[in-house]
Amino acid sequence: SSELTQDPAVSVALGQTVRITCQGDSLRGFYGAWYQQKPGQAPILLLYSKTNRPSGIPDRFSGSSSGNTASLTITGAQAEDEADYYCNSRDRSRHLVFGTGTKVTVL
Amino acid sequence: QVQLQESGPGLVKPSETVSLTCTVSGDSIASHFWAWIRQPPGKGLEWIGYIYYSGNTNYNPPLESRVHISIDTSKNQFSLKFNSVTAADTAVYYCARGAEDYGDYYLDYWGQGTLVTVSS
Repeated sequence: SSELTQDPAVSVALGQTVRITCQGDSLRGFYGAWYQQKPGQAPILLLYSKTNRPSGIPDRFSGSSSGNTASLTITGAQAEDEADYYCNSRDRSRHLVFGTGTKVTVL
Repeated sequence: QVQLQESGPGLVKPSETVSLTCTVSGDSIASHFWAWIRQPPGKGLEWIGYIYYSGNTNYNPPLESRVHISIDTSKNQFSLKFNSVTAADTAVYYCARGAEDYGDYYLDYWGQGTLVTVSS
C-alpha cells in the first residue's frame, strides 16, 4: 500500500501556530484524515475530508490540501495539544494507510 | 454514544494465533465498516484490515496471509485472528468504526486498545 510521510517532531510556543504536513501519492486522490493521540490513549479523530471536524473538536484545528500533501494547522496551540498526530488515507485498492506520525511539543 | 471494546488474551506464545473480539455498542454493526489497527510499543499506527456487514474484507497486503477478520451481526461484534505470531507482533491492538465521505475513508470511533504480548 501507499506510504504517508510526516515530520517526526515539531515544536510550537504556547499560543502560536504550527502546521503539520503529510505527503504521499494517495493524497492526490483523497483528502485523508487526521488523528491526535496522547500517551496511553487511543487516537481520536480530529479532521476528515480535509476540513470537517467531528463534534467537540476545537476550531483551532484546521486542514488543507494541495497536490500530494495534506496539512493540519493548530492555530493558537494550547498545552493540551501536546500529542502525537497521525494522518491517514486510502489508496485506490481501498487499503488504509497511516502516516509515520508527528510528535508536537508545546513550549 | 458509540463505544467499542476489545477483548482477548494479553499474552500469546510465539507461533500461536491471537484471537481478539471487538464489541460494539450504541450503533448497529450493520452500518459502516469495522477496522483493526495495531501499534507496537513506542511506534506508529498500522492498519491491519477491515470488514463490512456483508462480510467483505480488505487486508493490509504485508499481513494478509496471517490475518482473518470476521463479523457476528447477532452479537454486534467483529473479530480478528492473527496466526503464526512472533515477538514483532507485540502491540496494542485497536478496533475502530470506519466511515466514508465522498470516497474518503476515516475512523471516527476507537476502542481503548488491548495490549497483546507475544512471549514464551
